[in-house]
Amino acid sequence: DGGITQSPKYLFRKEGQNVTLSCEQNLNHDAMYWYRQDPGQGLRLIYYSQIVNDFQKGDIAEGYSVSREKKESFPLTVTSAQKNPTAFYLCASSRDREGGGYTFGSGTRLTVV
Amino acid sequence: KQEVTQIPAALSVPEGENLVLNCSFTDSAIYNLQWFRQDPGKGLTSLLLIQSSQREQTSGRLNASLDKSSGRSTLYIAASQPGDSATYLCAVPRSGGYNKLIFGAGTRLAVHP
Repeated sequence: DGGITQSPKYLFRKEGQNVTLSCEQNLNHDAMYWYRQDPGQGLRLIYYSQIVNDFQKGDIAEGYSVSREKKESFPLTVTSAQKNPTAFYLCASSRDREGGGYTFGSGTRLTVV
Repeated sequence: KQEVTQIPAALSVPEGENLVLNCSFTDSAIYNLQWFRQDPGKGLTSLLLIQSSQREQTSGRLNASLDKSSGRSTLYIAASQPGDSATYLCAVPRSGGYNKLIFGAGTRLAVHP
């Protein structure tokens, strides 16, 4: 079955450490996104990519970095510059520029210890 | 700047009731509007996508309407069931970016037997 796989499901980060969240899709979607969700809030866009080897910052990109070397993969690195990284991170993809076929992964919960 | 608001924030109803969830947005120049469902600790599942040229969409017991001129959408759930318990989020594309979504904070629904 086609879908988006995020790993790990839970991740713990120490102060000053960089961590990478994995996102893989087999839907053949061109566009991929990373959103952050905090308790009681809607999702906020971190980064997005419309095509391989191209990506743009969203609303809250500071302290995060991404790469898009393959169509199927869009990993997110949470760097030590992100001062409040504890949140639920969701990866998504869409079939077209009109937002059709929006599909989300099951999320990664990141906690700073 | 587009803002999306959902009312109520939480709702608890007995099984079998028909209910309405509300979503409002400040910029009526939207391309489409989507409703998503999120179960606790999970990713989002797309429920309905309404194009700007449409006034409503139906899927099973769900019916979503869109009134662009007033900046409102409603999600109607008929004959609610305990399995409908989840958080429901609406989202609209941001200006100039059809597939980059702005989300409301969601309505947390509990349907009790």
